[in-house]
Amino acid sequence: EDQVTQSPEALRLQEGESSSLNCSYTVSGLRGLFWYRQDPGKGPEFLFTLYSAGEEKEKERLKATLTKKESFLHITAPKPEDSATYLCAVEGVGGGNKLTFGTGTQLKVEL
Amino acid sequence: NAGVTQTPKFRILKIGQSMTLQCTQDMNHNYMYWYRQDPGMGLKLIYYSVGAGITDKGEVPNGYNVSRSTTEDFPLRLELAAPSQTSVYFCASIQGQRSEKLFFGSGTQLSVL
Repeated sequence: EDQVTQSPEALRLQEGESSSLNCSYTVSGLRGLFWYRQDPGKGPEFLFTLYSAGEEKEKERLKATLTKKESFLHITAPKPEDSATYLCAVEGVGGGNKLTFGTGTQLKVEL
Repeated sequence: NAGVTQTPKFRILKIGQSMTLQCTQDMNHNYMYWYRQDPGMGLKLIYYSVGAGITDKGEVPNGYNVSRSTTEDFPLRLELAAPSQTSVYFCASIQGQRSEKLFFGSGTQLSVL
């Protein structure tokens, strides 16, 4: 059974204070690891897909990295608009494009 | 381009009532999914479909039913609603076989009292 564990559950940062979110996973053959952003009252919004260890993806202040056991979402010089819940998910080789999600990290960036 | 549309946005049911959550997408996606999201529990897959006429159970299918008569629509039916079905429900879709980004609807918040 695929499993995803995210830490911390919640994170409070000052504007400009860089940090990282962690996603640890166990999966029977990784087809892809995904990061989503979810704002209150809305559906998750896609950020990144990582397919193999060593891969990195960047978008504005966000950078996602992947190893064989975990992924990090690095947030550089965050702004208040980066406040959201960040979800990690994996797809194993079981097929059907079925994702297993973690419980998310709730990020709040304060002025 | 509306993407994935869910209706209603909010609903309150009494125990034992039934209802259908509607989901439609206009992107001609083959794969569609229903997830539920409970506080602190993450998104759990209820049912999914790989194309019209084909559906399969996910992780938490009990108490729900689905159908997929067209590519666009994937309704979720709750029979005999129970308090344990109080949750936020998300419909999602994707085009291809290789995982790409899922497109999510904005959700239906359901309370069963």
